[in-house]
Amino acid sequence: DGGITQSPKYLFRKEGQNVTLSCEQNLNHDAMYWYRQDPGQGLRLIYYSQIVNDFQKGDIAEGYSVSREKKESFPLTVTSAQKNPTAFYLCASSAGNSNQPQHFGDGTRLSIL
Amino acid sequence: QQPVQSPQAVILREGEDAVINCSSSKALYSVHWYRQKHGEAPVFLMILLKGGEQKGHEKISASFNEKKQQSSLYLTASQLSYSGTYFCGSPINYGQNFVFGPGTRLSVLP
Repeated sequence: DGGITQSPKYLFRKEGQNVTLSCEQNLNHDAMYWYRQDPGQGLRLIYYSQIVNDFQKGDIAEGYSVSREKKESFPLTVTSAQKNPTAFYLCASSAGNSNQPQHFGDGTRLSIL
Repeated sequence: QQPVQSPQAVILREGEDAVINCSSSKALYSVHWYRQKHGEAPVFLMILLKGGEQKGHEKISASFNEKKQQSSLYLTASQLSYSGTYFCGSPINYGQNFVFGPGTRLSVLP
């Protein structure tokens, strides 16, 4: 079955540590997205990528980095510069233009130790 | 740039109807609607692509008034399974940069 796989489901970060969240899709989608969701809040766009080797900052990119070396993969690194990283992180993909639905992974819940 | 949603929250009894509104101060090129249950990923409901378009999905339908820069989601004869948070979203400038509204929490009680 096609879908989006995020791992791990839960992640704990120590102060000063970088952590990487994985997102893999087998839907053959061109576009991929990373969102952050805080409790009781909406989804805020961190980064998005329309094609391989290209990505753009969303509204809250500071303290995060991404890469898009393969069509299937769009990992997100939460760097030590992100001072308040505790949140629910959602990865999504879509077929390639903004009028296509986004398909979401099950999310990664990141907490600070 | 974030769309505004109203109401913030609504409580219904099974079988009752509800309307959720989404509006923006900026042009809406299309409107997406998603539902998210607690602790889960959002699930796509429908996209409205042009002004005046109405779409339906089971007993959930939506309209899009491009001129007024607003969309409404209609839930009729609500079921317990309709509980969750509903988000509208829209691309910015026809691009992939995407913005979601803050969500409307819907609770359907037996």
